Amino acid sequence: EVQLVESGGGLVQPGRSLRLSCAASGFTFDDYAMHWVRQAPGKGLEWVSGISWNSGSIGYADSVKGRFTISRDNAKNSLYLQMNSLRAEDTALYYCAKGGKAGLRYYFDYWGQGTLVTVSS
Amino acid sequence: QSVLTQPPSVSAAPGQKVTISCSGSSSNIGNNYVSWYQQLPGTAPKLLIYDNNKRPSGIPDRFSGSKSGTSATLGITGLQTGDEADYYCGTWDSSLSALHVFGTGTKVTVL
Repeated sequence: EVQLVESGGGLVQPGRSLRLSCAASGFTFDDYAMHWVRQAPGKGLEWVSGISWNSGSIGYADSVKGRFTISRDNAKNSLYLQMNSLRAEDTALYYCAKGGKAGLRYYFDYWGQGTLVTVSS
Repeated sequence: QSVLTQPPSVSAAPGQKVTISCSGSSSNIGNNYVSWYQQLPGTAPKLLIYDNNKRPSGIPDRFSGSKSGTSATLGITGLQTGDEADYYCGTWDSSLSALHVFGTGTKVTVL
């Protein structure tokens, strides 16, 4: 059974940093791309970032480019999102999602339950 | 703001059919596969349709997907109360800022 468990969310002041983690199990982690997708309270889905199976391809939404960094550790079956210079508009539930294939441009076939990030003073 | 446009809401009685449209452009839907996601209240999204019209294992054939040009459609037949949820389309956008995009979301209400 595929499981994706996010952690690292919390309340943080504007301008500070936070690191999210996603622990994956139930599939061959290094065969698939992985992504972060967020959902602001009461709003729709927004793709944040994705990383291919071997970290060779990485993409970011314009809204986080230059502030967020995605990475993965295939030996630990883990995905990360380093979030710097956080803004109020980054407040959202952050989902870890498994890509359907090794590359970035495919669908998301499994999702975690999310970790809540609140940026507020 | 999303580059894929969906109707805010659709509704129908139990047993009826609803369709949800997703309108994009040549840089996204027109040249890439479309997927659809169901988000039940208070839960994470779930993949319903991928590669325009394929269903993952366990998704009933009441759910169907199609694509034509720069638009895609999700159909739900035999509507059930358990289908009340938000539905999102998604695809890759091959523009300068290559990235994934989602639709604006559609709330399905079973009357």
